[in-house]
Amino acid sequence: GENVEQHPSTLSVQEGDSAVIKCTYSDSASNYFPWYKQELGKGPQLIIDIRSNVGEKKDQRIAVTLNKTAKHFSLHITETQPEDSAVYFCAASSSDYKLSFGAGTTVTVRA
Amino acid sequence: DVKVTQSSRYLVKRTGEKVFLECVQDMDHENMFWYRQDPGLGLRLIYFSYDVKMKEKGDIPEGYSVSREKKERFSLILESASTNQTSMYLCASSLLGTTEAFFGQGTRLTVV
Repeated sequence: GENVEQHPSTLSVQEGDSAVIKCTYSDSASNYFPWYKQELGKGPQLIIDIRSNVGEKKDQRIAVTLNKTAKHFSLHITETQPEDSAVYFCAASSSDYKLSFGAGTTVTVRA
Repeated sequence: DVKVTQSSRYLVKRTGEKVFLECVQDMDHENMFWYRQDPGLGLRLIYFSYDVKMKEKGDIPEGYSVSREKKERFSLILESASTNQTSMYLCASSLLGTTEAFFGQGTRLTVV
């Protein structure tokens, strides 16, 4: 099955700086790569996703890049704000419904 | 907005008890999922269902079963709870043919 590895497990950044989270996957058939944000006491929520026919996607301060050859994808958050503090999960999917998740990254934005 | 509601936020059960975790979604989604979330392990799929009365095992189904008698409701059953099933349980749903999953707020289960 698919194996998704995520790094780092924790990340502390100064407000206004950038944050980068990296994931690798094992199944070359995977073609959908979402990122979820989980705030304290809540379930994960989709923040951005990318499909294998696209190399980069941006939505305001967040962007995701995908390197299919190397089987890795990354989340970039620019101009971090306190509300960006959360746990972030990457995931990969080769089917219409099944997601394999990384272990998660706890991001703390210092004021 | 899609709403996925889990019946309990916190639950404490005794070893050996039969435990039911309930999940209801209000957007007519075909797919429903149960995940388990543990620190350092991320979200691991226990079971999923793509239609009423249909179910498939995920990555860690041992010790669990599920029931989907109605499209909007998906139940996770721990036949005989054990302490190693202490965890956060997350329910999710998605439309058939799509991968975006909508999650409930989670149920933190403690087995003592």
